[in-house]
Amino acid sequence: DVKVTQSSRYLVKRTGEKVFLECVQDMDHENMFWYRQDPGLGLRLIYFSYDVKMKEKGDIPEGYSVSREKKERFSLILESASTNQTSMYLCATGDSANSPLHFGNGTRLTVT
Amino acid sequence: GENVEQHPSTLSVQEGDSAVIKCTYSDSASNYFPWYKQELGKRPQLIIDIRSNVGEKKDQRIAVTLNKTAKHFSLHITETQPEDSAVYFCAASEAGGGADGLTFGKGTHLIIQP
Repeated sequence: DVKVTQSSRYLVKRTGEKVFLECVQDMDHENMFWYRQDPGLGLRLIYFSYDVKMKEKGDIPEGYSVSREKKERFSLILESASTNQTSMYLCATGDSANSPLHFGNGTRLTVT
Repeated sequence: GENVEQHPSTLSVQEGDSAVIKCTYSDSASNYFPWYKQELGKRPQLIIDIRSNVGEKKDQRIAVTLNKTAKHFSLHITETQPEDSAVYFCAASEAGGGADGLTFGKGTHLIIQP
């Protein structure tokens, strides 16, 4: 069974802080994704990566960056956290067009 | 880019009745249409998907239909049960599955009344 682990379930950070959200997968999947989930807005794609050191912008990349130094790990970085980045963040992985996306349990980030 | 609209945002049905959730998409290049179920406090999980070369797919009480000409697809749940209560998301993508990022609808909160 695919395991996608997000390091923190809940995080509380202050405005202006640099925030790292970590995601690790154990299935050797090529593709990794970061989504943000807000009530009434669904899941929106922030960034994704097809390979180590590669990254692509999704639909809402502003205010975020990512890092993929190893195949199994994909980090989402908030350079200077703001209150409008308070949200649930979901990491997902996938292998090919014939396999589904697998999600982590999510990190609920609160920026005060 | 792709835009997926989903309706209704909330759906309340009596236990045992059927539920239908509808989605439309904008990009004619989309070929893969999954449905995810998210129970309270849990991760989204794939429940059924369909590709553009198929018009309908069934899995026990769940079915999905696709009208590629009209660019809409629907989720049908028959004989609803309490455990069907959840938020359901439709999505679309060109390549499908784990190959590229999915564009999701805003979700439907399905409530099963006893």
